[in-house]
Amino acid sequence: DQQVKQNSPSLSVQEGRISILNCDYTNSMFDYFLWYKKYPAEGPTFLISISSIKDKNEDGRFTVFLNKSAKHLSLHIVPSQPGDSAVYFCAASADTNAGKSTFGDGTTLTVKP
Amino acid sequence: DTAVSQTPKYLVTQMGNDKSIKCEQNLGHDTMYWYKQDSKKFLKIMFSYNNKELIINETVPNRFSPKSPDKAHLNLHINSLELGDSAVYFCASSLTGGAFYEQYFGPGTRLTVT
Repeated sequence: DQQVKQNSPSLSVQEGRISILNCDYTNSMFDYFLWYKKYPAEGPTFLISISSIKDKNEDGRFTVFLNKSAKHLSLHIVPSQPGDSAVYFCAASADTNAGKSTFGDGTTLTVKP
Repeated sequence: DTAVSQTPKYLVTQMGNDKSIKCEQNLGHDTMYWYKQDSKKFLKIMFSYNNKELIINETVPNRFSPKSPDKAHLNLHINSLELGDSAVYFCASSLTGGAFYEQYFGPGTRLTVT
């Protein structure tokens, strides 16, 4: 049972345009959501998070939107840059223990110059 | 100034062997984890230690045994390696409590069992 799904395995975007990465979840107990970014041969790095009491969190070019009723979250990157090319994982947790986060299987973003 | 380091980065070994992967963090975190990323790219939690005590032990074979000599280290020992153990193993650490949900990951160890 895959509780966190990223249905698009890959996304290609032109530099300067918006990148939108999507994530759906099934467990209504999840109340904290995170996005991680992963470059080849490196571990994932934390990017941005949102708790269920909010529907939007912004950090520079990155904004995460949460729609609890639809059990859907998205990551917007504006403007996209070639250095943003990486694999993006969303993760969800129902617990303060970060180790109980459930990860999606990632979306590979390619930003073309 | 590597925050979470793992050794070795690559490990190629034969079936039946015993191997260890080491992990160290210098962030002062109190919780450490081991994840396995399989060929389908899923990141799955294997173990979690908080202050040297095991707090998460997902369904992994007994051949996998974590050891935490102190809060800054969490090593993974694997006995009788099998082909299906081939994967990338990531160590991570975090602070528990408060709003510190995010984890800091090591660079990964690519294990290939032949």
